[in-house]
Amino acid sequence: AQKITQTQPGMFVQEKEAVTLDCTYDTSDPSYGLFWYKQPSSGEMIFLIYQGSYDQQNATEGRYSLNFQKARKSANLVISASQLGDSAMYFCAMRVGSNFGNEKLTFGTGTRLTIIP
Amino acid sequence: DTEVTQTPKHLVMGMTNKKSLKCEQHMGHRAMYWYKQKAKKPPELMFVYSYEKLSINESVPSRFSPECPNSSLLNLHLHALQPEDSALYLCASSQDDYGVGNEQFFGPGTRLTVL
Repeated sequence: AQKITQTQPGMFVQEKEAVTLDCTYDTSDPSYGLFWYKQPSSGEMIFLIYQGSYDQQNATEGRYSLNFQKARKSANLVISASQLGDSAMYFCAMRVGSNFGNEKLTFGTGTRLTIIP
Repeated sequence: DTEVTQTPKHLVMGMTNKKSLKCEQHMGHRAMYWYKQKAKKPPELMFVYSYEKLSINESVPSRFSPECPNSSLLNLHLHALQPEDSALYLCASSQDDYGVGNEQFFGPGTRLTVL
């Protein structure tokens, strides 16, 4: 069974500072994908970044980067130069590979990030 | 168009009412999903439609009835709900239901309150 663990229920970060949100995962399948989603108070889940298990380089998307440490089974999200608009709930999620489809997205419990002016 | 739309945004219904939630995407995606999310919890998968056929039902009570009329539309019919069904209902779509890299695009959700 797949499992995603986010150990930080809440974080407070000063504006313009970098922030790292932790995510560890557990799966025995060699093929998997890791995702980060942002959920503002409005409710919409916004896709941020994706890392495949076979990707050689860490994924980056603008101010977002994923610190992928495969041996440690961690996929931490790094947000550089945080902004007030980054205040939201952040979910780490994983999908295990299958040739048959029907593989579910497993979510962590989330981290509530608050950016302080 | 990279948007998933959901209507209505808010819905208040009594336990004897019948209502429907609607979800639409025009990205050509062939997999669509319904999630239920309670406050301060991650989304919980309810149903998956793959190529307009129901492929996953996560043991959801029959008072929730999904429907996929075509590849762009997904409905969730609600009947005889309970107060504990009050939640944010999220719709999502992805290119298809295969492969690890298929990111799901979510709609803004419908906040449902059952009185």
